[in-house]
Amino acid sequence: GAGVSQTPSNKVTEKGKYVELRCDPISGHTALYWYRQSLGQGPEFLIYFQGTGAADDSGLPNDRFFAVRPEGSVSTLKIQRTERGDSAVYLCASSPRSSGRDTQYFGPGTRLTVL
Amino acid sequence: QKEVEQNSGPLSVPEGAIASLNCTYSDRGSQSFFWYRQYSGKSPELIMSIYSNGDKEDGRFTAQLNKASQYVSLLIRDSQPSDSATYLCAVRNTGGFKTIFGAGTRLFVKA
Repeated sequence: GAGVSQTPSNKVTEKGKYVELRCDPISGHTALYWYRQSLGQGPEFLIYFQGTGAADDSGLPNDRFFAVRPEGSVSTLKIQRTERGDSAVYLCASSPRSSGRDTQYFGPGTRLTVL
Repeated sequence: QKEVEQNSGPLSVPEGAIASLNCTYSDRGSQSFFWYRQYSGKSPELIMSIYSNGDKEDGRFTAQLNKASQYVSLLIRDSQPSDSATYLCAVRNTGGFKTIFGAGTRLFVKA
């Protein structure tokens, strides 16, 4: 079956612009996660959705970052007034249920470059 | 102190040798522990999970967990050049689903 997909694969934008990054989880997966990975670092947790609701958004760095999952499937990560420090690979992952032991399946990521 | 610490490496081992990767974590209440492999330019993929003290074996991989010492390790037996990648240790916090990753250890297996 299809894995987690993310679009776009690459996004180049200018400082101060608004961007949206999309994640399509594996069909039927109720849990969805967003991470940010900078060069030489491990993925950094941003937010976790269980269904439509954000169950844990403690990793969002500031109020410029916002994520939604209105129908409990596709999720969009929104970044306002982008800064050069936002440049990173944004990873999305999904898992079947809300068990803490569930495997997370990662998408290929969106590489964001803020000029 | 970082929540999950790994030696960044690189760790270089000859083909056929055992590669030993180590990880320590700070949250004593952590319950779930994972090892991911990440090839350059690719996303992480899960190779092992462990939840109880002791060893867990899966093919050439063995994960070891010692909660008292807050220590997790991954052994790769009969290392192959295709095992060359960054290995990420990840810990899931108590009662939640927030997963904390270490910075990863780069492994090179020399043919």
